[in-house]
Amino acid sequence: QSALTQPASVSGSPGQSITISCTGTSSDVGGYNYVSWYQQHPGKAPKLMIYDVSKRPSGVSNRFSGSKSGNTASLTISGLQAEDEADYYCSSYTTSSTYVVFGGGTKLTVL
Amino acid sequence: EVQLVESGGGLVKPGGSLRLSCAASGFTFSTYTMNWVRQAPGKGLEWVSSISSSSSYIYYADSVKGRFTISRDNAKNSLYLQMNSLRAEDTAVYYCAREGYSHFEFDYWGQGTLVTVSS
Repeated sequence: QSALTQPASVSGSPGQSITISCTGTSSDVGGYNYVSWYQQHPGKAPKLMIYDVSKRPSGVSNRFSGSKSGNTASLTISGLQAEDEADYYCSSYTTSSTYVVFGGGTKLTVL
Repeated sequence: EVQLVESGGGLVKPGGSLRLSCAASGFTFSTYTMNWVRQAPGKGLEWVSSISSSSSYIYYADSVKGRFTISRDNAKNSLYLQMNSLRAEDTAVYYCAREGYSHFEFDYWGQGTLVTVSS
């Protein structure tokens, strides 16, 4: 069982907005602003989309945004496009026995 | 251009050993913390191990502690993962990932190398 909880799947139509949640505890998501989000297309390596809860790396579309409230972080994708269809993973620094923990992943389907 | 290229994966029997390598280029390797992250077939991402820029700080996931050893050679711009006492559940694609300066985010990843543990 993953340390961070994500919905298994979400879907949306082109142009719509969707939000993926990532729930942890005060030992990880809730206690530190070190939440990241990754996009992974089939057969490809993950790509960093958001770090430090809400910062976007250079080159990442501003359609991607991140936020956090309490022990839950969220990734919002606005203006959905076909190429956004992928798996999305959250991660967080943790003070538990590991260093970084990932969520179980969310499959985004663009209808 | 930042490049991370893993090698060393393959088929190994349970109880066997394997050494993965990651060749880095396009950035000052010696100033970055590096990590290994794995992904079992059809499953999610699992952080495996981290090593600081000067090898002063090393961390392991509980699932590999005592069996895997991470190391680096800054003169050769290379990261390594020595994997001993391999189990079927270690079967995965192993990614080398650079940790950004903000810490705990993996800003560049290699293409991965597949490790299969099976008799």
